[in-house]
Amino acid sequence: DVKVTQSSRYLVKRTGEKVFLECVQDMDHENMFWYRQDPGLGLRLIYFSYDVKMKEKGDIPEGYSVSREKKERFSLILESASTNQTSMYLCASSLSWTGKFQETQYFGPGTRLLVL
Amino acid sequence: RKEVEQDPGPFNVPEGATVAFNCTYSNSASQSFFWYRQDCRKEPKLLMSVYSSGNEDGRFTAQLNRASQYISLLIRDSKLSDSATYLCVVTSSGGYQKVTFGTGTKLQVIP
Repeated sequence: DVKVTQSSRYLVKRTGEKVFLECVQDMDHENMFWYRQDPGLGLRLIYFSYDVKMKEKGDIPEGYSVSREKKERFSLILESASTNQTSMYLCASSLSWTGKFQETQYFGPGTRLLVL
Repeated sequence: RKEVEQDPGPFNVPEGATVAFNCTYSNSASQSFFWYRQDCRKEPKLLMSVYSSGNEDGRFTAQLNRASQYISLLIRDSKLSDSATYLCVVTSSGGYQKVTFGTGTKLQVIP
């Protein structure tokens, strides 16, 4: 079974704080993703990574950065948290890009972030 | 027009009923299609991939209509445990594939 873990289930931070969200997968997947999920807006892709030290912007990268120093770990960084970054953050991984099996995304349990 | 559109619902159906959801997509070059299920306050999980020829998994049937650019999910003999939000996912070509999630359709199966 693929396992994707996220460092925290719930997090409360203050405006202006630097926030680190960690994600680890244990199945040697090439691709990793960070999404945020908001009511009525669904899942929106923030950043993704297709290899160690490689990253690509998703649909809403502003205010975020990412780091992938090791294949199994993908970190999302909020440089200066703002109240509009209050959301559910979901990490996912997939084996590769080709083929339906390989494209299947496996999600972590999510981190509910509240920025005060 | 949104890249992937779903009726948010909720669809309230009695146990044993058959229910169908559609999902439309705007990019005709879209390559792969999936249905994910998300329970309340949980992460999405793959329900099934959608193949061009259609595919069935027990009570669930997925269909793809490329001409009209939509995919469908049919659930027969609904169970209480089917209550969830169903997310449509479309991937498109172009360098690294772009993955787009629909906002989901909420299903509530009523006793």
